[in-house]
Amino acid sequence: AQSVTQPDIHITVSEGASLELRCNYSYGATPYLFWYVQSPGQGLQLLLKYFSGDTLVQGIKGFEAEFKRSQSSFNLRKPSVHWSDAAEYFCAVGDPTSGTYKYIFGTGTRLKVLA
Amino acid sequence: SQTIHQWPATLVQPVGSPLSLECTVEGTSNPNLYWYRQAAGRGLQLLFYSVGIGQISSEVPQNLSASRPQDRQFILSSKKLLLSDSGFYLCAWAGGGGWSPLHFGNGTRLTVT
Repeated sequence: AQSVTQPDIHITVSEGASLELRCNYSYGATPYLFWYVQSPGQGLQLLLKYFSGDTLVQGIKGFEAEFKRSQSSFNLRKPSVHWSDAAEYFCAVGDPTSGTYKYIFGTGTRLKVLA
Repeated sequence: SQTIHQWPATLVQPVGSPLSLECTVEGTSNPNLYWYRQAAGRGLQLLFYSVGIGQISSEVPQNLSASRPQDRQFILSSKKLLLSDSGFYLCAWAGGGGWSPLHFGNGTRLTVT
């Protein structure tokens, strides 16, 4: 079955440290890939997206993600985390071969940043 | 620019009461519209989506329903709420006619007591 997996439920990093959040998908074809961030009690904000082309994608707030077809992954990275990055992060996919416009989300990774 | 409005922000309803959550989008035409529910530790669950007026696709069989009476209006309803309907409900839109990122409203926190 098609699925999106975020293996890490919680991650804690120190301010200034690097960050990598994992996302794996299980789809027959290369899906469209997205990362969103959610602050407590708020809606989701798009960080970046991948449809095709360059596999390293730059987003807002200093985030980037790399699509690796061989690993079915789309991991989110940031070189130096700021305290304001503490939030919940969601990976999402859309299947361009499905004939629908459904977006499926992972279960999220909650990021805590230590001062 | 496009904006999405979702209300109310919070709602406390007794079991068995009806529900109506409304979402409207401004600044775009023929958007694809979505309702998601978010429960703690379970990510976002797609409930309904619509690619046009009167077209509703249901993803999860339950006592909720959705309607799209106008191009940019999406309503989530229930005739009788259950305790299990408690959660954070998010409306979202995406550009119609192809794939584009979702844009979310600020959500409605529903507590069924």
